[in-house]
Amino acid sequence: GQQLNQSPQSMFIQEGEDVSMNCTSSSIFNTWLWYKQDPGEGPVLLIALYKAGELTSNGRLTAQFGITRKDSFLNISASIPSDVGIYFCAGRSSNTGKLIFGQGTTLQVKP
Amino acid sequence: DTEVTQTPKHLVMGMTNKKSLKCEQHMGHRAMYWYKQKAKKPPELMFVYSYEKLSINESVPSRFSPECPNSSLLNLHLHALQPEDSALYLCASSYQREGSYEQYFGPGTRLTVT
Repeated sequence: GQQLNQSPQSMFIQEGEDVSMNCTSSSIFNTWLWYKQDPGEGPVLLIALYKAGELTSNGRLTAQFGITRKDSFLNISASIPSDVGIYFCAGRSSNTGKLIFGQGTTLQVKP
Repeated sequence: DTEVTQTPKHLVMGMTNKKSLKCEQHMGHRAMYWYKQKAKKPPELMFVYSYEKLSINESVPSRFSPECPNSSLLNLHLHALQPEDSALYLCASSYQREGSYEQYFGPGTRLTVT
């Protein structure tokens, strides 16, 4: 089945540093979504991407839909303590319509 | 407004109990989803309703029974669960139309089966 490889698995950074994470797949997706999940809560949608090559920002967050349609990355600039959480990428399969999730990147920020 | 609500927030049930989880959205979304999530893992799709009809069942055991009474409501009926069914159960919804596939999640119900 379709799988997403999300990396890194975890990151421990200093407040103020920039962060980058990415997802890759052997399959083509027509939509990429990035979510953040706090402990005990549901995932919150951060950014949605629909076109290959598309670069979209949401405050300090920037995400790109890879030109091959098989990858996406998320950057967080000038990290702050409230950025702590698990970040998931999700690709929407054009065949099944299902969201395929990456395994998540756990981000910890040291004040 | 991108709010999906879920009740209850927490649920503890014995293996012989019958309980229901409820989900509601008023965004006009016509697709609704149930996911199961274990700690530090991504959500796993269980069921999809599209226009109030069950369109996807990911081979979920029959002790989980979904119901979509109308376009705003989604229930998950639970009966004779096992301890390994303890997890965070997430509801989500989406427009499910070209160019608008974002899924919005509720806060989840933390289920513990004793």
